[in-house]
Amino acid sequence: GENVEQHPSTLSVQEGDSAVIKCTYSDSASNYFPWYKQELGKRPQLIIDIRSNVGEKKDQRIAVTLNKTAKHFSLHITETQPEDSAVYFCAASMSPGPILESYNNNDMRFGAGTRLTVKP
Amino acid sequence: AAGVIQSPRHLIKEKRETATLKCYPIPRHDTVYWYQQGPGQDPQFLISFYEKMQSDKGSIPDRFSAQQFSDYHSELNMSSLELGDSALYFCASSLGAGTGNEKLFFGSGTQLSVL
Repeated sequence: GENVEQHPSTLSVQEGDSAVIKCTYSDSASNYFPWYKQELGKRPQLIIDIRSNVGEKKDQRIAVTLNKTAKHFSLHITETQPEDSAVYFCAASMSPGPILESYNNNDMRFGAGTRLTVKP
Repeated sequence: AAGVIQSPRHLIKEKRETATLKCYPIPRHDTVYWYQQGPGQDPQFLISFYEKMQSDKGSIPDRFSAQQFSDYHSELNMSSLELGDSALYFCASSLGAGTGNEKLFFGSGTQLSVL
């Protein structure tokens, strides 16, 4: 089965610096990689995702990169702000795509999380 | 609310001609899918694009090609048309964020008749 490892477990940066969180996965069949942000006392929220047919995706200050050969993907946050402080989870799954049939194989494996602290 | 727009609604071509079908997804949707539905048949998945790159490929003939442009609209190009290509061609769009169970929004289709 899929095994997802996430590093580092904690990360502290100064406001305005960049933050990078890395994940590796084991199952080469995985093709969908979302990132979730969980603020204290709140539910995880999907912030960005990437599929295996692209190598990079950006959304304002956040970006995700994927290296299929090495089976690792990373979350990049630029110009960090105190409100970026949270726990971030990566995940990997095998997404069959929205073909007009039903599948029962959407098992998603999560990394252990990274606690990001942005110091003012 | 804006929906998926397909053009043209109807298209008549002769054998061996070419045809181009266009699809404009719902604003902010980054994924486009193409389906072909022959008379009395179920829709058949042809091809899909996510963030302007091919994401899934179904039963699309080699005579057909498609692409997704920077504004996320997509075009299905059909060459050397055959009588059997006469069908209703649907386009659908969705948001990429999900686990493979994204909700699809379909256009009204383009009816292609090859004479």
